Amino acid sequence: GNSVTQMEGPVTLSEEAFLTINCTYTATGYPSLFWYVQYPGEGLQLLLKATKADDKGSNKGFEATYRKETTSFHLEKGSVQVSDSAVYFCASSYSGAGSYQLTFGKGTKLSVIP
Amino acid sequence: GAGVSQSPSNKVTEKGKDVELRCDPISGHTALYWYRQRLGQGLEFLIYFQGNSAPDKSGLPSDRFSAERTGESVSTLTIQRTQQEDSAVYLCASSLSGGRARTDTQYFGPGTRLTVL
Repeated sequence: GNSVTQMEGPVTLSEEAFLTINCTYTATGYPSLFWYVQYPGEGLQLLLKATKADDKGSNKGFEATYRKETTSFHLEKGSVQVSDSAVYFCASSYSGAGSYQLTFGKGTKLSVIP
Repeated sequence: GAGVSQSPSNKVTEKGKDVELRCDPISGHTALYWYRQRLGQGLEFLIYFQGNSAPDKSGLPSDRFSAERTGESVSTLTIQRTQQEDSAVYLCASSLSGGRARTDTQYFGPGTRLTVL
């Protein structure tokens, strides 16, 4: 089955610092890849996604590129803000039967300090 | 409009008791999902409802777990004879059509934190 591994947190950065959160996956077939974000007190929200190799998902200044050769989908942002403090989850979905199921990593907590 | 809501937000129970967790999906969403997140773990898929189709129960960890959904509205997740390993955050999500996750975004509720003493 699918599995997702993401870097352990917590991660603490100063405002305007560069962010990378690593994510790698194992899957059969061609999964779709996602980053979800959970702000304090809120439900998970889809941040961005990529559905095939070399696709780049982007939203709110965050980017991630689907790298099939390294089975990775690392999340990056060039300049983080205090409002980006949240827990970030990498996820994948099957390409065949059960493609509605999401498989999540453990989450990485990001704290951005002024 | 309103998002996915779940109740209660927190539940503390004693080992051996039954608990019911409730999920109200976004109006008009035909698909509903339950996930579980144990401490230090990723979210685990539990069950999926889509319209009037038979639910996909493949993620339920034991026969102590069951879930129901009335039409395309409220769902309840029931855990019987709770055990300490059931302590987790239980998350509900809904989506418009229940198709592939790549095209049918799942919207999550804030979760119910269950603690079994």
